[in-house]
Amino acid sequence: DGGITQSPKYLFRKEGQNVTLSCEQNLNHDAMYWYRQDPGQGLRLIYYSQIVNDFQKGDIAEGYSVSREKKESFPLTVTSAQKNPTAFYLCASRLDRGRNQPQHFGDGTRLSIL
Amino acid sequence: GNSVTQMEGPVTLSEEAFLTINCTYTATGYPSLFWYVQYPGEGLQLLLKATKADDKGSNKGFEATYRKETTSFHLEKGSVQVSDSAVYFCALSEMDGNTGFQKLVFGTGTRLLVSP
Repeated sequence: DGGITQSPKYLFRKEGQNVTLSCEQNLNHDAMYWYRQDPGQGLRLIYYSQIVNDFQKGDIAEGYSVSREKKESFPLTVTSAQKNPTAFYLCASRLDRGRNQPQHFGDGTRLSIL
Repeated sequence: GNSVTQMEGPVTLSEEAFLTINCTYTATGYPSLFWYVQYPGEGLQLLLKATKADDKGSNKGFEATYRKETTSFHLEKGSVQVSDSAVYFCALSEMDGNTGFQKLVFGTGTRLLVSP
């Protein structure tokens, strides 16, 4: 079955540590996205990528970094510069063929601070 | 900029009641509109979409009509079930002015609680 796989489902970070969240899709989608979701709130865009080796900052990119070396993979690194990283992180992808195409989401990674 | 406004939750209903979750938007041009659903501990799933004025999206008994004159996309269901308990997000598509890239703008979500 085609879909988006995020791993791990739960992740714990120590102070001063960088952690990387994995996102893999086998939908052959062009575009990929990372969102942050805080309790009781909507989704905020961290980074997005339209094609391989290209990505753009979203609304809350500070303290995060990404790479897009392969079409199917878009890992997110939460750096030690992100002072409040505890949140639910969602990865999404989309076939970039006009405005009507929806985004498809993974099941998320919940990041907590030790 | 573009924005989406949803009604505050939680919306609490008994099983088989009628559901309406309000969604209004502000946008330039004619965006596509979407409803997503999020069950506890999971990601978002596309529920339905509409791409132009007067389009009606429907899925699993849910419906929403793209109303350009009132800039609204309200979600409705005639008879809710306990299994419909979730958070519902309204969203619109917008084009990034610098990159020409399509993004989604989400509302803050509305929690629905259905009791037996």
